[in-house]
Amino acid sequence: RKEVEQDPGPFNVPEGATVAFNCTYSNSASQSFFWYRQDCRKEPKLLMSVYSSGNEDGRFTAQLNRASQYISLLIRDSKLSDSATYLCAVNTDSGYALNFGKGTSLLVTP
Amino acid sequence: DAGVTQSPTHLIKTRGQHVTLRCSPISGHKSVSWYQQVLGQGPQFIFQYYEKEERGRGNFPDRFSARQFPNYSSELNVNALLLGDSALYLCASSLTTDEQYFGPGTRLTVT
Repeated sequence: RKEVEQDPGPFNVPEGATVAFNCTYSNSASQSFFWYRQDCRKEPKLLMSVYSSGNEDGRFTAQLNRASQYISLLIRDSKLSDSATYLCAVNTDSGYALNFGKGTSLLVTP
Repeated sequence: DAGVTQSPTHLIKTRGQHVTLRCSPISGHKSVSWYQQVLGQGPQFIFQYYEKEERGRGNFPDRFSARQFPNYSSELNVNALLLGDSALYLCASSLTTDEQYFGPGTRLTVT
């Protein structure tokens, strides 16, 4: 089983839609969780850290479910500019490195 | 403030050659991590350095090595290049070892 798994998509949604991504992780000792956004041929950009209590930043909400070992990202009122690949990242056993999923591709259409 | 910088942006090398990639972290950040990203995959961890000490190493062969300098900049070296080393090499900077911020990457093509 891969350490971090994501549905690769693609998710094709119309503007204004709400879309949710899930990411499962295998290491129950993981303590840090992140969502990154990556545009084509660019570097990943940190979108949100994911806290136990969940967190919200504008149209984006991240949740952590430790019991089921998954994190989620909800995007409300999708914009064309949200089209990108969304990567989830979980820290490793050592705590220093990040394990990434393969990413979920989102395409928001007019 | 300047973000993470990496050089060169693109590089073409021949099999068997050696390459050195460079990274300067965000000012004040003492930790640098290196990742390899091939098309269609997420970044794969190679190394992490904190205060010039290696903190972690991913599952990469000994052909890969790195170091961190007193000014916290870092180099990634790859010897005896293989075609499979073609990838985007990303450097990430962090204040300690938590939230990591990526540079634009070096796109390496091995022919």
